[in-house]
Amino acid sequence: EDQVTQSPEALRLQEGESSSLNCSYTVSGLRGLFWYRQDPGKGPEFLFTLYSAGEEKEKERLKATLTKKESFLHITAPKPEDSATYLCAVPPISGGYNKLIFGAGTRLAVHP
Amino acid sequence: ETGVTQSPTHLIKTRGQQVTLRCSSQSGHNTVSWYQQALGQGPQFIFQYYREEENGRGNFPPRFSGLQFPNYSSELNVNALELDDSALYLCASSLGREPGNEQFFGPGTRLTVL
Repeated sequence: EDQVTQSPEALRLQEGESSSLNCSYTVSGLRGLFWYRQDPGKGPEFLFTLYSAGEEKEKERLKATLTKKESFLHITAPKPEDSATYLCAVPPISGGYNKLIFGAGTRLAVHP
Repeated sequence: ETGVTQSPTHLIKTRGQQVTLRCSSQSGHNTVSWYQQALGQGPQFIFQYYREEENGRGNFPPRFSGLQFPNYSSELNVNALELDDSALYLCASSLGREPGNEQFFGPGTRLTVL
């Protein structure tokens, strides 16, 4: 069964304290792995797409990496404005349509 | 470039009623997907529309239905509302219906069923 699992569920960091979020997946044939940021009560904001193992993408303090079974979102020297829920999602090939399977997310809180 | 918009922002209904939510896709995008997000959970796929036809469906009952219009905007209709339908409803648009196309989300509609 296609599945996405994120860990930890919640993470509390001090400003400047770097860390990593994990997204592991089981899906038949990867057609990309997507990272989103979601603020409370808002829609997910697109961050990155990774398509193949070894690929890396960066945006400001965020860097996403991909292996064959998991992805990491590395946060370097975070600031309070990085506080949000980070979601990862994969589109299974079965069905032939553009359905995303999401993990439950990691709630990140960065304190000054 | 105009992003994905949704209306209304918030909605309160009572059990048994019907509701219609609306979505305008990002400029140039021909595919719209709808998701339901319960509190503390990731979004769950409801269905996808491509060129005015339902193109794929998740594990939701038939009382969840939709439409897509020639300008690619879309509606989600839910009949016979239940308490468990309370959630954030998200619309996402993409350029193409194939797996792997990037999806861009709207701000969502918060539905509360009393």
